[in-house]
Amino acid sequence: SSELTQDPAVSVALGQTVRITCQGDSLRSYYASWYQQKPGQAPVLVIYGKNNRPSGIPDRFSGSSSGNTASLTITGAQAEDEADYYCNSRDSSGNHPWGVFGGGTKLTVL
Amino acid sequence: EVQLVESGGGLVQPGGSLRLSCAASGFTFSSYDMHWVRQATGKGLEWVSAIGTAGDTYYPGSVKGRFTISRENAKNSLYLQMNSLRAGDTAVYYCARTSRMITFGGVIVYYFDYWGQGTLVTVSS
Repeated sequence: SSELTQDPAVSVALGQTVRITCQGDSLRSYYASWYQQKPGQAPVLVIYGKNNRPSGIPDRFSGSSSGNTASLTITGAQAEDEADYYCNSRDSSGNHPWGVFGGGTKLTVL
Repeated sequence: EVQLVESGGGLVQPGGSLRLSCAASGFTFSSYDMHWVRQATGKGLEWVSAIGTAGDTYYPGSVKGRFTISRENAKNSLYLQMNSLRAGDTAVYYCARTSRMITFGGVIVYYFDYWGQGTLVTVSS
């Protein structure tokens, strides 16, 4: 089992807002990064740090954190946002800052 | 443009070995930590190994002692030597780069900012 826990599946109506969460003890002290993966493609970074978006990522993607939970919010979800989303952060040993991924959340846009 | 191109995947018998390569371009390869991340079919992402700019290496328990990550900066190349392969090692293996930033609070944030397209490793008799 992963040290970072994500809901397996979430759905959102087109144009509505959806929050994808990631829970884990390491998130009390460290930020998560978030990755979008579409079928047959490599993951793509969408959020890192407190709330930073790489160039080319739409501003409808945002990140936040509270306690042991990190969240990825998509405000005004689009059809092209349908994908798997993974969080990543430090593992429980503390030795590997990128050491663990969440199990992933499959986002369906209705 | 940053590019990471993996090669070397294929079919191997249990107990066998395989060496993956990743050719990097579009950035100063020697200045970045590099990783291998794998994904079994229909499953999530699993970090497999990392190598720092000074050649320091890191592994999770699942592969420690069987896998060896290395880099050749002169050739802008990353490698993963996989020995004693098991059926559970069957996956697409991605090469990925991490960058880091320091927040105002002094926290170092790491993130995988570029990924290759992956190479499939199948361990089966």
